[in-house]
Amino acid sequence: SQTIHQWPATLVQPVGSPLSLECTVEGTSNPNLYWYRQAAGRGLQLLFYSVGIGQISSEVPQNLSASRPQDRQFILSSKKLLLSDSGFYLCAWSVPGMNRYNEQFFGPGTRLTVL
Amino acid sequence: GNSVTQMEGPVTLSEEAFLTINCTYTATGYPSLFWYVQYPGEGLQLLLKATKADDKGSNKGFEATYRKETTSFHLEKGSVQVSDSAVYFCALNSAPGAQKLVFGQGTRLTINP
Repeated sequence: SQTIHQWPATLVQPVGSPLSLECTVEGTSNPNLYWYRQAAGRGLQLLFYSVGIGQISSEVPQNLSASRPQDRQFILSSKKLLLSDSGFYLCAWSVPGMNRYNEQFFGPGTRLTVL
Repeated sequence: GNSVTQMEGPVTLSEEAFLTINCTYTATGYPSLFWYVQYPGEGLQLLLKATKADDKGSNKGFEATYRKETTSFHLEKGSVQVSDSAVYFCALNSAPGAQKLVFGQGTRLTINP
């Protein structure tokens, strides 16, 4: 069966510090991968998605970036965090290919607080 | 563009009450529709889905029917429990590309004993 991991679970960082959040998927090959952010009391905002190694699409311009160095690894980074980067970051995966029937499967999330 | 509109929360009910959370959508083509649930401090879990008109998705006592004529996918449960307290998200997928989901804003549900 497939599982998705995110770490760390929680993170407190000062403004201006760098960020690296990691997501890995097990039990599947060449998944589509996604990063979402959920601000407090708000809905989900798609940040990035990837259909393959080295292929990243950005949905929202911001000071965050994403990378996919391996097939089942997706990393969210920032060089300098802003207060507005605080939130709950969710990674998700879906089966590969272009099929509108398939759902996305979410990881447990990382709660980031920027002080 | 594609969009999903959910009823505004928060919604507070007593245990064993009937639940309806409204969801309507705007989309080109024939989208698939989903309900996700998020328990406090956790990620999202798929609750149910429907992929074509008149399909009924069901799981854990929850149901939703894909109504193309009213562009709706309302979530219902006949008798809620305290453990159903969570945030519920309606979503659609119509893109032929990388399966990008469009989410509603979420509805917070609290069930009191």
